[in-house]
Amino acid sequence: ETGVTQSPTHLIKTRGQQVTLRCSSQSGHNTVSWYQQALGQGPQFIFQYYREEENGRGNFPPRFSGLQFPNYSSELNVNALELDDSALYLCAVYPASGDQETQYFGPGTRLLVL
Amino acid sequence: SQKIEQNSEALNIQEGKTATLTCNYTNYSPAYLQWYRQDPGRGPVFLLLIRENEKEKRKERLKVTFDTTLKQSLFHITASQPADSATYLCALESNTGKLIFGQGTTLQVKP
Repeated sequence: ETGVTQSPTHLIKTRGQQVTLRCSSQSGHNTVSWYQQALGQGPQFIFQYYREEENGRGNFPPRFSGLQFPNYSSELNVNALELDDSALYLCAVYPASGDQETQYFGPGTRLLVL
Repeated sequence: SQKIEQNSEALNIQEGKTATLTCNYTNYSPAYLQWYRQDPGRGPVFLLLIRENEKEKRKERLKVTFDTTLKQSLFHITASQPADSATYLCALESNTGKLIFGQGTTLQVKP
């Protein structure tokens, strides 16, 4: 059990719509990363938040945005959805103390864009 | 650009045998490399981390090697069991400090 939860588990949207995905973790997880994983591929880094500020971004357009809240929850927002956005979206956190090189992943949200 | 390659073909082995998965990388010298297990529809689960100054690391039936000259890591599962069937991902730290993942290798252990 990683202590990381994501909601919803599955989601179906149509092209052009907007979506918000959520991630919650135990207290003390100051750093959260979001990944996109297409079928048959490894996770691709979208961005990372540290203490509510964006702290690094991968090769994703600005229509992918995020937020991190003081209660350690986080959101990933995607605007103007495209068919290629269909994927498993994962959030991952680093432990509050100790090993800062190991991430703990949530179960993911499966997004289907029609 | 930095690139990680894993065996794209699924690996099928018989129960009790040793499974060996390969991870090759280019254009970077990572400080460490990680291996994760991922079951269908689930998030990756961390297994092992090996640093650039470590040649080998073990955890129960798992063994990871790291050859910085060859730019390659090998992941071994000894005495494999059907429960070991999953996709295994390697990941390295990029020059921006963020993880880059390979595409994963699917392992199928047959009883």
